[in-house]
Amino acid sequence: AQSVTQLDSQVPVFEEAPVELRCNYSSSVSVYLFWYVQYPNQGLQLLLKYLSGSTLVKGINGFEAEFNKSQTSFHLRKPSVHISDTAEYFCAVSDYGGATNKLIFGTGTLLAVQP
Amino acid sequence: DTAVSQTPKYLVTQMGNDKSIKCEQNLGHDTMYWYKQDSKKFLKIMFSYNNKELIINETVPNRFSPKSPDKAHLNLHINSLELGDSAVYFCASSQDPGRGGVYGYTFGSGTRLTVV
Repeated sequence: AQSVTQLDSQVPVFEEAPVELRCNYSSSVSVYLFWYVQYPNQGLQLLLKYLSGSTLVKGINGFEAEFNKSQTSFHLRKPSVHISDTAEYFCAVSDYGGATNKLIFGTGTLLAVQP
Repeated sequence: DTAVSQTPKYLVTQMGNDKSIKCEQNLGHDTMYWYKQDSKKFLKIMFSYNNKELIINETVPNRFSPKSPDKAHLNLHINSLELGDSAVYFCASSQDPGRGGVYGYTFGSGTRLTVV
């Protein structure tokens, strides 16, 4: 069965510094990966997704992620963070079964941007 | 216009009560979902409907009953509420995965349920 692991529960970083949020997955079939962001007291918003093709995926708000099959990773990066990027970030894998599209989420990483 | 809207946003109720949460999407999607987010922010799928048909039913107490009157609406009814039901419940929608694709979800803003 598919699963994702986000090893870092919290990542503190100073404003304008680069950041990487780690995500590792396990899957026995084709892999479809997503990153979502959850701002305080809001729903989840899709940042980016990898379905196939180029392993470097660009998303909204300046974020990007790289799919690495050999390391079973899909780390999220941003070269320079802002205070407004403070939020919970979730990695997810699709348990696509042809007729169903169940997303399995990691436990989340809180990105805490400090001035 | 809100794409996926849930009501109510907050719900405080006593143990043993029965309550419902409503969800509506105006995106034209065929598939809708209910997820539960616990106090540690862990998200777990509960149910999914595709064109009013139940397609995912995870291990959830049968006190929880989803209902989809049409493909734009998915409601969640909870009987005999317990303290452990306190959580944030998210509705989401996506295009029909049966069309041969993998699609991301659009989430509602959540319903924070507190059972006292």
